[in-house]
Amino acid sequence: AQSVTQLGSHVSVSEGALVLLRCNYSSSVPPYLFWYVQYPNQGLQLLLKYTSAATLVKGINGFEAEFKKSETSFHLTKPSAHMSDAAEYFCAVSDPGANSKLTFGKGITLSVRP
Amino acid sequence: IAGITQAPTSQILAAGRRMTLRCTQDMRHNAMYWYRQDLGLGLRLIHYSNTAGTTGKGEVPDGYSVSRANTDDFPLTLASAVPSQTSVYFCASRLSGGSYNEQFFGPGTRLTVL
Repeated sequence: AQSVTQLGSHVSVSEGALVLLRCNYSSSVPPYLFWYVQYPNQGLQLLLKYTSAATLVKGINGFEAEFKKSETSFHLTKPSAHMSDAAEYFCAVSDPGANSKLTFGKGITLSVRP
Repeated sequence: IAGITQAPTSQILAAGRRMTLRCTQDMRHNAMYWYRQDLGLGLRLIHYSNTAGTTGKGEVPDGYSVSRANTDDFPLTLASAVPSQTSVYFCASRLSGGSYNEQFFGPGTRLTVL
């Protein structure tokens, strides 16, 4: 069975500050890992994904995440927050099987202060 | 426009009524999913379909049914709605068999059961 832990439900940063959203996973097989973003009243949009290639993954809007097997982590970072980054962020894990399904974390709401 | 459409956008429903949420995709994805999103719980899988003609139960299937008569459509039915089914419902699809397991999401249906 797989699971995802996103510690905390809300993170607040100042505009221009570093964004760090934490994600830890549990999986019995080498996982695929994803970060999705949800803007208010919208569906989920893929930010980036790890699929066993490079451990440092770059996504859209300046976000990146690093897969650390030893720490079972896949934390999301952005060097400089922008007001438009305010949204809810979900980490998700799946196994690499053809019919695998995603398991989501509970999500983190990111607020950006002017 | 390629993607996933969901209907209705929102609905207020009396308890005990039957309701079908519609989901259509035009990406020829073989796998489709229904999730519900509740505050503090993230996204939870209700039902899924790996290919037309097959369906499976997810994490929270009770009170819901699905059908998959063709590749494009995946309706979700609440036979007799209850207030605990008040939620935001997201449909998603994926081209399974590929190695990346990326799911694409619709805009969601906000359902209120009174």
